[in-house]
Amino acid sequence: GQNIDQPTEMTATEGAIVQINCTYQTSGFNGLFWYQQHAGEAPTFLSYNVLDGLEEKGRFSSFLSRSKGYSYLLLKELQMKDSASYLCAVPSGGSYIPTFGRGTSLIVHP
Amino acid sequence: DSGVTQTPKHLITATGQRVTLRCSPRSGDLSVYWYQQSLDQGLQFLIQYYNGEERAKGNILERFSAQQFPDLHSELNLSSLELGDSALYFCASSVVEHNEQFFGPGTRLTVL
Repeated sequence: GQNIDQPTEMTATEGAIVQINCTYQTSGFNGLFWYQQHAGEAPTFLSYNVLDGLEEKGRFSSFLSRSKGYSYLLLKELQMKDSASYLCAVPSGGSYIPTFGRGTSLIVHP
Repeated sequence: DSGVTQTPKHLITATGQRVTLRCSPRSGDLSVYWYQQSLDQGLQFLIQYYNGEERAKGNILERFSAQQFPDLHSELNLSSLELGDSALYFCASSVVEHNEQFFGPGTRLTVL
């Protein structure tokens, strides 16, 4: 099995940068996913990291350190529409089915 | 729009009843996943089908069952419903198992 830990809630100002951390423990590693979920809506895929390092995709970047069991999602130039829950998900060892963390609720204020 | 469709959007029923939730995956996706999301439990994996065959089981109760049909659409059957089954039920699909999943809009089930 695995354990995924991420902060419950974060707040940030429009235009700023925010980093959402995720730590995990898993027996075997098959990559790490980040999803965004607006309240009452479906999760949408943001990123997938399987190798160490930073992957940049527009305003969003995701970092992975497999040796530390650590990832973060970096959101730049925050917009009000970025207010959402951000879910870290890690497949358990030997499986490709992601186990989702409880999510970090990000509130962006003017 | 992810390309995954789910019906119905909302469902209100009584304890003890049985309901069926339906999901059509994105065109070309062979893998279908069902998840339950409640406020206190987060997004919980229930079951996965791949090209008609059950592939993986998560925290799915014995009162719940699912199947994937030859046209790849899937149905999740929930029986002997309890108040605690009230939740959002999401279906997701992917081309192959290790790819990102595309989620449908969900079915909000309310058990009264």
